[in-house]
This record gives sequence, structure tokens and C-alpha cells, in this order.
Amino acid sequence: QVQLVQSGAEVKTPGASVKVSCKTSGYTFTSYYIHWVRQAPGQGLEWMGIINPSDGDTSYTQKFQGRLTVTSDTSTSTVYMDLSSLRSEDTAVYYCTLAGFDYWGQGTLVNVSS
Amino acid sequence: QSALTQPPSASGSPGQSVTISCTGTSSDIGAYKFVSWCQHHPGKAPKLMIYEVNKRPSGVPDRFSGSKSGNTASLTVSGLQAEDEADYYCSSYIGGNNYVFGTGTKLTVL
Repeated sequence: QVQLVQSGAEVKTPGASVKVSCKTSGYTFTSYYIHWVRQAPGQGLEWMGIINPSDGDTSYTQKFQGRLTVTSDTSTSTVYMDLSSLRSEDTAVYYCTLAGFDYWGQGTLVNVSS
Repeated sequence: QSALTQPPSASGSPGQSVTISCTGTSSDIGAYKFVSWCQHHPGKAPKLMIYEVNKRPSGVPDRFSGSKSGNTASLTVSGLQAEDEADYYCSSYIGGNNYVFGTGTKLTVL
């Protein structure tokens, strides 16, 4: 069965970076894009970016250009989301989700606090 | 790209039907058939309910249906049940491998 398992919660100080992993299984890793989506406290879902694991091609929403880097490792079927220059507004639950939003990771809470 | 516009809240009694709208532009909903709806219970991962405007994934009850007219998509939940109470988000492809979500609607079953 398809599974996306994310890394655990993180606490970061403003200005730091965070790297969240999303380990996939149950399907051919290179066959489907993976999105990153976040939800800040009391806010809605926000689409951040996407990666094609077959060639590493990425696309990011303009809001995160320059701060967001999504990468993939075909040897471990894992996708990584790296967000830099963190600020308090980046406190959120971050999700990875497969191609058509049909499979989701369990979410990773990133808390940015001084 | 601004978020798609959804009503903040919707409600209905058990057994009734409720429709949630999702308004975009001719550059997103109006341009593509890739409109999806997700159900989100707090503290859990979102669940896909509708994809490509009106298709249901396996396991999603046929009480859930989707449609689109022009720049507005809609999700209809018929025969409301208590477990349908959740937040609902639309999403649309906007080109260039980019997507956008709606502002979200909290559905309350009275």
C-alpha cells in the first residue's frame, strides 16, 4: 500500500533552516510528482511547491522563491523539503502529498520560536 | 497567485444537502479540468474527496459530488452525516506545474 512517512516535529529559532523528509513506499517513486503543502495555526492549506522525482525538476509558489528547496533521493525513495530563513510565520504543519493529493504524509509540525 | 475563494462556513442538518462553492479566475478553475476537493479533520491528514472536477476516488461515498461552471467549482454533499463535519478545501492547477488551494470552508452538521 502507498505510504508517505514524514520526519518528526522540529523546533527552530528565527533565521534557521529546517529540513523535513518524506519517505515513500508502495509505488514506483519516479512515476509520480510530490507536493509540499502547509497549514499554519488557524489558517488554511497552502500549496508550497512540487518535485518530479524522476528528474528532480521543481516548481515553487512565488511566495517561497529563494527560501524553499525540494529535493529527491531515488535510492531511498525520499523527498526533502528545506525551508531557510525561518520566521515565526513559518510555524505550521507541513505535509507531503502524492501527485493528485490522493495520498498524504502524517504531517510534521515545525515550530519557529525564539 | 491568490487563494481561491470559498465561503468560510456552511451548514446543514443530517440528511440534507449542502453545496460549497470555490471561485477562481479564467487562469485557474476556468482554464483547467484539474480541480480537486479535500476533506480535513483537525489533527489528521487531509483526504481527497473529488478530483478532476467530478471524479471520486475509490472508497469515497457517492454522496459527494463535484461540478464546475466557468470560473467556479462546487462540492455538493448529499444526505449529510455527522462524520461529514470537517474543513473542505478546493484546489486547482494553475499552469507551470503550480497549484493553488481555496481559503477553506468549515462544514457544520447541525
